[in-house]
Amino acid sequence: AQRVTQPEKLLSVFKGAPVELKCNYSYSGSPELFWYVQYSRQRLQLLLRHISRESIKGFTADLNKGETSFHLKKPFAQEEDSAMYYCALQTDSWGKLQFGAGTQVVVTP
Amino acid sequence: EAGVVQSPRYKIIEKKQPVAFWCNPISGHNTLYWYRQNLGQGPELLIRYENEEAVDDSQLPKDRFSAERLKGVDSTLKIQPAELGDSAVYLCASSLGQLIYNEQFFGPGTRLTVL
Repeated sequence: AQRVTQPEKLLSVFKGAPVELKCNYSYSGSPELFWYVQYSRQRLQLLLRHISRESIKGFTADLNKGETSFHLKKPFAQEEDSAMYYCALQTDSWGKLQFGAGTQVVVTP
Repeated sequence: EAGVVQSPRYKIIEKKQPVAFWCNPISGHNTLYWYRQNLGQGPELLIRYENEEAVDDSQLPKDRFSAERLKGVDSTLKIQPAELGDSAVYLCASSLGQLIYNEQFFGPGTRLTVL
């Protein structure tokens, strides 16, 4: 069965500290993975996608097929990174996404 | 550019009442999605449209939920009758098409409370 697991509901870090959000998936096909972010009182938006291999706002994510993981990392957290982060797995060629339950990140000064 | 527009933003109804949500996607976006997001969970796809055709409605509870996308632009999602368990945020999203690198753009959502 297809599944996306984000084990941490809440992650609290200090400004300037590294932050890592865990995402594990279960999928029999070739995975395409995404991170979406929702800032306070804003709508859900794409942060980055695996296929682009990009770094957005200092965040990177590496697909590890052996560990079936797609963890999101940032070396130095900023207060503006406080938000809800969702890992998403595309489960068909038509763009259907399956989301994890999300991780709330709180960056304190 | 207003992005994906949804209305109403909030709706409170009593159980067994009908309710409808409206979505206007970004201009030119052929693909439209309706998601339901329960408290503490990520969004779950209910139905996906390619233009006016519903191409994936496998997750839509068809006994009480219905949707339409007339003329391949605006869409309406309806619940009749609503149940307590339908309380959630209903999100609409749109994208240019079905390719995997086509980003989905989300609306602000409609928060439904069923009493």
